[in-house]
Amino acid sequence: DQQVKQNSPSLSVQEGRISILNCDYTNSMFDYFLWYKKYPAEGPTFLISISSIKDKNEDGRFTVFLNKSAKHLSLHIVPSQPGDSAVYFCAATRTTGGGNKLTFGTGTQLKVEL
Amino acid sequence: GAGVSQSPSNKVTEKGKDVELRCDPISGHTALYWYRQRLGQGLEFLIYFQGNSAPDKSGLPSDRFSAERTGESVSTLTIQRTQQEDSAVYLCASSLVWAGETQYFGPGTRLLVL
Repeated sequence: DQQVKQNSPSLSVQEGRISILNCDYTNSMFDYFLWYKKYPAEGPTFLISISSIKDKNEDGRFTVFLNKSAKHLSLHIVPSQPGDSAVYFCAATRTTGGGNKLTFGTGTQLKVEL
Repeated sequence: GAGVSQSPSNKVTEKGKDVELRCDPISGHTALYWYRQRLGQGLEFLIYFQGNSAPDKSGLPSDRFSAERTGESVSTLTIQRTQQEDSAVYLCASSLVWAGETQYFGPGTRLLVL
């Protein structure tokens, strides 16, 4: 039962353009969402998060959008840079009664080409 | 070091053998998590420790899996009678208190069961 889904296993974007990574979830109890970035042979590193009381959060080149009615969130990277090439994981959790554990998607491999 | 460390970085074992994986969290972090990532899948939550509270073991896939943590220090994840489906990257993360964005991940232990 995949409660967090990233349906695109890979995405290729040209340097300078926008990267849009998508994530869908099924559990309506999730109220906090996060994006992690992972390079090969390293652990995931936190990128950006959003609470369900918001629909947008921005941090530099990274913006996360949340559409609660559609149970959908997306990560926008503008402008994309070659160093952004990595696997991006969407994660979700319940801030109350959720056991403090993150539920992750399967990841999207982003490749930013010169 | 300043980050979460894990050992060994790689482990190859034969089916039926026991393995022990180690995690050294960031000093002072009260919360510690174990996740695993099987090939082509997202990270799966295994177990969570918070201070002296009883651990949340809800993610452990079978009774062959167990984990211990003494106080706020090192944790060990033990897999008994390993099976081929246990092959995965086992990731440890720690945080000060629960706050999804401040879960700091180690580089993982790559376990291969032959």
